[in-house]
Amino acid sequence: DTAVSQTPKYLVTQMGNDKSIKCEQNLGHDTMYWYKQDSKKFLKIMFSYNNKELIINETVPNRFSPKSPDKAHLNLHINSLELGDSAVYFCASSVSGGIADTQYFGPGTRLTVL
Amino acid sequence: ELKVEQNPLFLSMQEGKNYTIYCNYSTTSDRLYWYRQDPGKSLESLFVLLSNGAVKQEGRLMASLDTKARLSTLHITAAVHDLSATYFCAVPTYSSASKIIFGSGTRLSIRP
Repeated sequence: DTAVSQTPKYLVTQMGNDKSIKCEQNLGHDTMYWYKQDSKKFLKIMFSYNNKELIINETVPNRFSPKSPDKAHLNLHINSLELGDSAVYFCASSVSGGIADTQYFGPGTRLTVL
Repeated sequence: ELKVEQNPLFLSMQEGKNYTIYCNYSTTSDRLYWYRQDPGKSLESLFVLLSNGAVKQEGRLMASLDTKARLSTLHITAAVHDLSATYFCAVPTYSSASKIIFGSGTRLSIRP
């Protein structure tokens, strides 16, 4: 009965490959997010979707493309992976995206690009 | 642009001592979040502070918010080893309802 789940937990791949990370939430929330946490633990938002619509798109290379097939799922596809993409990627969700809403985080996906 | 700063960034303390982590932010906000992250784990919500003067307590942790000073504190009382973790504060931006900006985190290590 995990609230926000991500797969895979670990992802090791070569530069230039394309990979996807999947996220699902069973909380009935309308809003989902992708965050990147770098090696210094700095956490930065990348994207946010509300009810399958993109509402936040930070300055992220267009090699990163989120997709939300329904409001319970938000996947992240990364093309032409680079060394600098190595990080932990967290998915999160909140009730409606309002600023009083707590965001609930998934377990993270540790991406290592060799 | 909203900036959120925490200090200290690293804190090593002995069990039984008290300490405070500070979170300053640069633009107006009347709410603030505190999260905890254990090594290799996800972020867990600790407190949501929703107004000026808000104070919340859970066990040995107490968080407060002073919106006039743009300052939140996380106070640890009689620290125990189990509280070792990285603590993040986060502040929403009013330019976007969904976007929150995280501080850089305070890595807390509590020695027996």
